[in-house]
Amino acid sequence: GQQVMQIPQYQHVQEGEDFTTYCNSSTTLSNIQWYKQRPGGHPVFLIQLVKSGEVKKQKRLTFQFGEAKKNSSLHITATQTTDVGTYFCAGLNYGGSQGNLIFGKGTKLSVKP
Amino acid sequence: NAGVTQTPKFQVLKTGQSMTLQCAQDMNHNSMYWYRQDPGMGLRLIYYSASEGTTDKGEVPNGYNVSRLNKREFSLRLESAAPSQTSVYFCASSDRGRIYNEQFFGPGTRLTVL
Repeated sequence: GQQVMQIPQYQHVQEGEDFTTYCNSSTTLSNIQWYKQRPGGHPVFLIQLVKSGEVKKQKRLTFQFGEAKKNSSLHITATQTTDVGTYFCAGLNYGGSQGNLIFGKGTKLSVKP
Repeated sequence: NAGVTQTPKFQVLKTGQSMTLQCAQDMNHNSMYWYRQDPGMGLRLIYYSASEGTTDKGEVPNGYNVSRLNKREFSLRLESAAPSQTSVYFCASSDRGRIYNEQFFGPGTRLTVL
């Protein structure tokens, strides 16, 4: 079945350093969504990318969707302690119903002040 | 708006016991979902309901049943709990009418099966 792989599983950075997590799908995606889960919390939607090659920015966060719509990345510039949490990508494949949003296993980010 | 609410927040069961996890949303969303989250495994879909009156299996449905009671409520039942069902359970809802069709998650139920 469809798989969404996410790397790295863990990332430890010093405050102020950059951070990137990568997401790869075994199949072409209709769109990809990104979520953030704070420790002890629940996933919260960040962004959705739909178009091939799309790039979106939210303050220090930059999201990219690959040209082939099979990979995506989230880049955080100059991390802050408030960025701590687990970041998940979730892909929706072509022809998928509401139930076909496949989550990656997430990248857990820790930030040392 | 409360968003998505789940009860209970915590639960400890003994093997073989049954229980129902409750979920409700007040956003008038059509679709609702149940996920389980285990360390290192991400979020895995158990069941979903695309609209009131319909339910479908997700990736890991074995050992679970669901009921879409009405548009607001979607419950998850464990008929005979097993230690392998120890997990954090999240309910979510979404609506195709929204721009992003994003999923809104509840606070989760932390379940331990002894």
